[in-house]
Amino acid sequence: DIVMAQSPDSLAVSLGERATINCKSSQSIFSNSNNKNYLAWYQQKPGQPPKLLIYWASTRESGVPDRFSGSGSGTDFTLTISSLQAEDVAVYYCQQYYPTRGFTFGPGTKVDIK
Amino acid sequence: QVQLVQSGAEVKKPGSSVKVSCKASGGTFSTTGISWVRQAPGQGLEWMGSLVALFGTPNYAQTMQGRVSITADESTSTASMELSSLRSEDTAVYYCASVGPDKAALDFWGQGTLVTVSS
Repeated sequence: DIVMAQSPDSLAVSLGERATINCKSSQSIFSNSNNKNYLAWYQQKPGQPPKLLIYWASTRESGVPDRFSGSGSGTDFTLTISSLQAEDVAVYYCQQYYPTRGFTFGPGTKVDIK
Repeated sequence: QVQLVQSGAEVKKPGSSVKVSCKASGGTFSTTGISWVRQAPGQGLEWMGSLVALFGTPNYAQTMQGRVSITADESTSTASMELSSLRSEDTAVYYCASVGPDKAALDFWGQGTLVTVSS
């Protein structure tokens, strides 16, 4: 099974500052057949279902503010919030969905305002 | 845009089974992958399994094998997840989510169903 790790477990960032979350998979989730990384990022606020932010490691979902960006390839990925807003306080999860390997979530990173 | 509406909260005894349904609208149900994800109180997200109605063969997480069954009824555009041999650790919010055809990620989510296992 592919295991996903995230760091840090939590972080507090001042409003308007950058927040960076890292995600590492135990195996490469890059496919040579379509040149894509099978990695997504989700945001979850209390009492709500998760919301898809980023898929294919770096493609922003429709309607997601452009302050959210994803990068990385192979086994190492990053979610960046370029200028943290109050409404970005949430838990963020990375997830791999490599074909035939099922879906695996990272443990989550809690983002708060400093 | 896919909309997913789940059945209501359940309270179950240890050792019993629970079935949660997820009615889809706004997409082509037969070719839409539906995944089930659960979240224990204060914990992270755990994928349980997925099914594309057209293909008919579900894919289950190894940790769930033997206890979970995911089915789909194309006539009602409803997916269901049944979990058996319930124990207290199965107390969680259970979500269904659709797999975006061009994204392969989970793009639309149901509202969640709280299942409480308690004697």
